[in-house]
Amino acid sequence: NAGVMQNPRHLVRRRGQEARLRCSPMKGHSHVYWYRQLPEEGLKFMVYLQKENIIDESGMPKERFSAEFPKEGPSILRIQQVVRGDSAAYFCASSPGESGGVGTDTQYFGPGTRLTVL
Amino acid sequence: GQNIDQPTEMTATEGAIVQINCTYQTSGFNGLFWYQQHAGEAPTFLSYNVLDGLEEKGRFSSFLSRSKGYSYLLLKELQMKDSASYLCAVILNTGFQKLVFGTGTRLLVSP
Repeated sequence: NAGVMQNPRHLVRRRGQEARLRCSPMKGHSHVYWYRQLPEEGLKFMVYLQKENIIDESGMPKERFSAEFPKEGPSILRIQQVVRGDSAAYFCASSPGESGGVGTDTQYFGPGTRLTVL
Repeated sequence: GQNIDQPTEMTATEGAIVQINCTYQTSGFNGLFWYQQHAGEAPTFLSYNVLDGLEEKGRFSSFLSRSKGYSYLLLKELQMKDSASYLCAVILNTGFQKLVFGTGTRLLVSP
């Protein structure tokens, strides 16, 4: 049973370019979460999505960052006009959504995308 | 704000027992997770506690006291491969599934 897949694993961008990070959840999972991990810091929540819906984006910067989880295909985290401060590891997690929004699903993490902005 | 505290680093010897503590002060509480993260890799799920008490799973156990805002992860019969960061995370509210993480505890197991 394949786990959460993320690609690319490593991404290098110059300041001002766009970064596009992809996440395919585990089979049967309908909930996706994105987290950012800066060096020597904890994981910070960015956004929580279900198919075609953004449920909670309270951790995502208002500008330059966007996320989607279309009906078909992977979830995408897009960062426009990247700056050096965006350099971090970006982790995606998925959960089955069995609790139907009541109770708690266990989140399973992908291997992350390490973004370096030159 | 949300506050989750863990020691930054711990060291232990192969074969020993180590306890990693986590204290939290959060606006809500709907459960606490422990994850293991090796350098450069994904966090992997270890345990989930929502009720007070001890949950045992092989060499790893996790304890929760909601009244004290306190949890610990107990690792027995330490092995070299247990050298990793251990992340404590809280789910604040039912239905809003974002995890709030502590900064993690880096455990170094020596021979």
